[in-house]
Amino acid sequence: DIQMTQSPSTLSASVGDRVTITCRASQSIVGWLAWYQQKPGKAPKVLIHKASSLESGVPSRFSGSGSGTEFTLTISSLQPDDFATYYCRQYDSYPYTFGQGTKLEIK
Amino acid sequence: EVQLLESGGGLVQPGGSLRLSCAASGPTFSSYAMSWVRQAPGKGLEWVSAISGSGSATYYADSVKGRFTISRDYSKNTLYLQMISLRAEDSAVYYCAKDPPNGSLDNWGQGTLVTVSS
Repeated sequence: DIQMTQSPSTLSASVGDRVTITCRASQSIVGWLAWYQQKPGKAPKVLIHKASSLESGVPSRFSGSGSGTEFTLTISSLQPDDFATYYCRQYDSYPYTFGQGTKLEIK
Repeated sequence: EVQLLESGGGLVQPGGSLRLSCAASGPTFSSYAMSWVRQAPGKGLEWVSAISGSGSATYYADSVKGRFTISRDYSKNTLYLQMISLRAEDSAVYYCAKDPPNGSLDNWGQGTLVTVSS
């Protein structure tokens, strides 16, 4: 199975900051990676698919990059609504696997 | 946008069984694959199972293989997850999600809570 490792596990930042979350795959997943945002008590919401394709309606301050085994999610200027937990997920092969999550906290 | 509504969660004893349902709105239910994803209390997301649009292919996480069965009923626009031999570690909120060709899991239900405890 493909293991997904996210870093950091927790990230403290301020409104207006630029932040980057990294996701590493245990083997190449080409570009078959999605990023999700989850707020407490809510279902996840997809932000990006295929490593860098922004979902419709997602603000352009979110961007994704990477290929192979290393991927990043960048938020260019943090807004108050962005404080949440973020997950990556590979869908190169079954079983699909999620990263362990990155909790983005207000500094 | 497709609306998904899970049901069937509850309290069950270890070794017991439960069937979760996910009712989908819209006429295109057969056009896309569907997945189940779970989240134990205070933990991260875990992909559980998926089924193709045609229903001919199914996939499972190692942790549930042989105990869980995913299926879909096109006449009812409903996805199911039959769970047997339940364990405490299966306790979680279970979400169903639409899995379009781009792989994004772009629509999610609100989740249904399964608690396995004596």
